[in-house]
Amino acid sequence: SQTIHQWPATLVQPVGSPLSLECTVEGTSNPNLYWYRQAAGRGLQLLFYSVGIGQISSEVPQNLSASRPQDRQFILSSKKLLLSDSGFYLCAWSKTVSGNTIYFGEGSWLTVV
Amino acid sequence: RKEVEQDPGPFNVPEGATVAFNCTYSNSASQSFFWYRQDCRKEPKLLMSVYSSGNEDGRFTAQLNRASQYISLLIRDSKLSDSATYLCVVNNQAGTALIFGKGTTLSVSS
Repeated sequence: SQTIHQWPATLVQPVGSPLSLECTVEGTSNPNLYWYRQAAGRGLQLLFYSVGIGQISSEVPQNLSASRPQDRQFILSSKKLLLSDSGFYLCAWSKTVSGNTIYFGEGSWLTVV
Repeated sequence: RKEVEQDPGPFNVPEGATVAFNCTYSNSASQSFFWYRQDCRKEPKLLMSVYSSGNEDGRFTAQLNRASQYISLLIRDSKLSDSATYLCVVNNQAGTALIFGKGTTLSVSS
């Protein structure tokens, strides 16, 4: 069966510090991968999606970036965090065919102070 | 018009009640529809897909009206464990990702 892991689960970072969240998927090959963010009192916002290694699409301009160095690895980064980057970050995967159900990792709570 | 709109609630109902949530979407070309459930401070999890003819899974019934671009979720015989936020989900214009509504909060009390 397929599993998805992301880490760290919780982190508190000062404004201006870098960020790296990592996500890996097991039990499937060539998945679509996604990063979503859920800010306090707001809905899930799609940040990035990837259909293959090195292929990243950005949905919202921001100071975040994503990379996919391996088929089942997805990384979310920032060089300098802003207060507004605080939120619940969720990695997700789906089968290659578009419109399929997506499955989320357990999420990473980021507080920027 | 927002891509996916839901009444945020909260809906406060007693155990055993029937409750219905509605959702509208803006992309008339959308082909994939889902309801997800999210517990407090947890990741969303798939509740059920929504098919054109409507579908049922136990106490849960989902309906799709393409002409009105409207999706609904009916929960019968509500349980305490149904308390959660219910997210309406539709695929994006490019068909490459899913767009989530902000969710409707349900609180079931004894």
